Amino acid sequence: DTQMTQSPSSLSASVGDRVTITCRASQSITTYLNWYQQKPGKAPSLLIYAASKLQTGVPSRFSGSGSGTEFTLTISSLLPEDFATYYCQQSYSTPFTFGPGTTVEIK
Amino acid sequence: QLQLQESGPGLVKPSETLSLTCNVSGGSISNTAYHWAWVRQSPGKEPEWIGTIFFSGKAYYNPSLKSRVGLSVDTSKNQFSLVLSSVTAADTAVYYCARRVSPFPYQFDYWGLGTLVTVSS
Repeated sequence: DTQMTQSPSSLSASVGDRVTITCRASQSITTYLNWYQQKPGKAPSLLIYAASKLQTGVPSRFSGSGSGTEFTLTISSLLPEDFATYYCQQSYSTPFTFGPGTTVEIK
Repeated sequence: QLQLQESGPGLVKPSETLSLTCNVSGGSISNTAYHWAWVRQSPGKEPEWIGTIFFSGKAYYNPSLKSRVGLSVDTSKNQFSLVLSSVTAADTAVYYCARRVSPFPYQFDYWGLGTLVTVSS
């Protein structure tokens, strides 16, 4: 199985801050990497697919980069609605696996 | 607008079989550009992929659950289903159905609201 790790596991930030979350895969997944946002009591919502492509309707303050085994999700200027948990997910090989999540909290 | 809605019992006894159905509206389950999946999430944990099925009925599963899980599809009703046998408390989770885009990069782009299934006597 391809193991996914994320860092940090949580972070505190203020509105307007730039936030970067890192995701690492235990083996190369080229760009088969997706990012999801999840708010409490809600289903995950797709933000970024293929490592860097913005899902339709997702604000441009979200961006993704990386390939191989290391990826980043960046929020350029945090808004109140961005406080949530973010998961990376590899779709390169089965079983498709998710990272443990990064919770972005209000400072 | 595509919508997915899970349905099924919220409480299942240990050793029994969990059965859920996902109704798809606003799009056809027979569209070859998409596959259909189940994902579950235990409290405080990351989501876990259970399995994926094509409209043809071909399915593939997470090896960790493969001996206990089965997926099926009913194109006439535009829905697909999950059965998980011999459940234990470890199967307590919110179960989501989702659409997976095909081909690359196979992202889950639409999700149902989720349904909580508790395994308890």
